[in-house]
Amino acid sequence: DAKTTQPNSMESNEEEPVHLPCNHSTISGTDYIHWYRQLPSQGPEYVIHGLTSNVNNRMASLAIAEDRKSSTLILHRATLRDAAVYYCILRDMNGGSQGNLIFGKGTKLSVKP
Amino acid sequence: EPEVTQTPSHQVTQMGQEVILRCVPISNHLYFYWYRQILGQKVEFLVSFYNNEISEKSEIFDDQFSVERPDGSNFTLKIRSTKLEDSAMYFCASSVFPLGDTEAFFGQGTRLTVV
Repeated sequence: DAKTTQPNSMESNEEEPVHLPCNHSTISGTDYIHWYRQLPSQGPEYVIHGLTSNVNNRMASLAIAEDRKSSTLILHRATLRDAAVYYCILRDMNGGSQGNLIFGKGTKLSVKP
Repeated sequence: EPEVTQTPSHQVTQMGQEVILRCVPISNHLYFYWYRQILGQKVEFLVSFYNNEISEKSEIFDDQFSVERPDGSNFTLKIRSTKLEDSAMYFCASSVFPLGDTEAFFGQGTRLTVV
């Protein structure tokens, strides 16, 4: 799986938008971009994924650069509950290694009241 | 909302003892996984399981580890002879399809403490 690069930490104020960047310059044409997060003392939680087009769901939006070498996870209004470590992970669309989600260090998001 | 459940939430065991960690994946899921997270470190892949056999395993998943789906609902991870370094959070996950255009659902984890 191709490697991703994320900032170690970010801070946000409550109720403000948060943009979490991820660089994946070696992404292949068949890699999906996945985002998971891990709240303190909990298991990882799926957030969103996409291939080429921007994606929206109830939790977040995913903006994918035209060349797909970077992406941004957007939390539209951060809440205290959004404080977590956010992981950007690439997964081959054909399944490939079926279970091997490679978790890096992620970005630790702090949300201030 | 369906969820992956893991039991127990916390297990303390003596070094050298066998432990079995239990998981109930989401009912219509076909792919099952175990991950672990040593305190303060990254989440690490251990093993994936499909169609009653291991489909992939990491270097961590040595002969001391085994997985089983003993019935239609449970998915277990056994550590035969625990070591101090096996102390970690163990997460079970499941998915409908292989992890390309689909997501994994994780349980809340079992904290294993080996003393």
